[in-house]
Amino acid sequence: EDQVTQSPEALRLQEGESSSLNCSYTVSGLRGLFWYRQDPGKGPEFLFTLYSAGEEKEKERLKATLTKKESFLHITAPKPEDSATYLCAVQASGFNKFYFGSGTKLNVKP
Amino acid sequence: DTEVTQTPKHLVMGMTNKKSLKCEQHMGHRAMYWYKQKAKKPPELMFVYSYEKLSINESVPSRFSPECPNSSLLNLHLHALQPEDSALYLCASSQGIQGDQPQHFGDGTRLSIL
Repeated sequence: EDQVTQSPEALRLQEGESSSLNCSYTVSGLRGLFWYRQDPGKGPEFLFTLYSAGEEKEKERLKATLTKKESFLHITAPKPEDSATYLCAVQASGFNKFYFGSGTKLNVKP
Repeated sequence: DTEVTQTPKHLVMGMTNKKSLKCEQHMGHRAMYWYKQKAKKPPELMFVYSYEKLSINESVPSRFSPECPNSSLLNLHLHALQPEDSALYLCASSQGIQGDQPQHFGDGTRLSIL
């Protein structure tokens, strides 16, 4: 059964305290893994796409990595404006096989 | 600013009303989506249009009726909704339906059913 699991559910960091969010997946034939950021009352904002194990993408303080079983979103020296819910989504082979994880709510305190 | 525009931003309606949500994108994307999102939950897929044809209907009640007048526009017609339909309704678009390209989301319509 296809499954996408994110952990932790919530994460509180001090400004400057680096950490990682996890997205574990079990799907048949990964077509793509996507990271989104969602602020309260807004739609998800696209961050990264990863297609194959070993791939890495970076944007400012964020770096996404991918293995055959999971993806990490590393946040280096976070700032309060990085506070948001981070969603992972996976596209598997086959029609209508797009799955969101339940998200990680990140709170960065000054 | 998002490249997918949704109107209205907020909507309050009674259970007997008829209203429509609108979504517009000008990125040349050929796949468009409707999602429903409840508080503290991820988005749930409702409908997918590919090249203006309905491709996926995720067993959504008939009180929700989608329409894709052209490649840039997507509507969601609402009729006789229930209080449990109160949620954030998100529209998204992508280059294709094969799924290896990201979906880009609008900021949603916050719907409240009285």
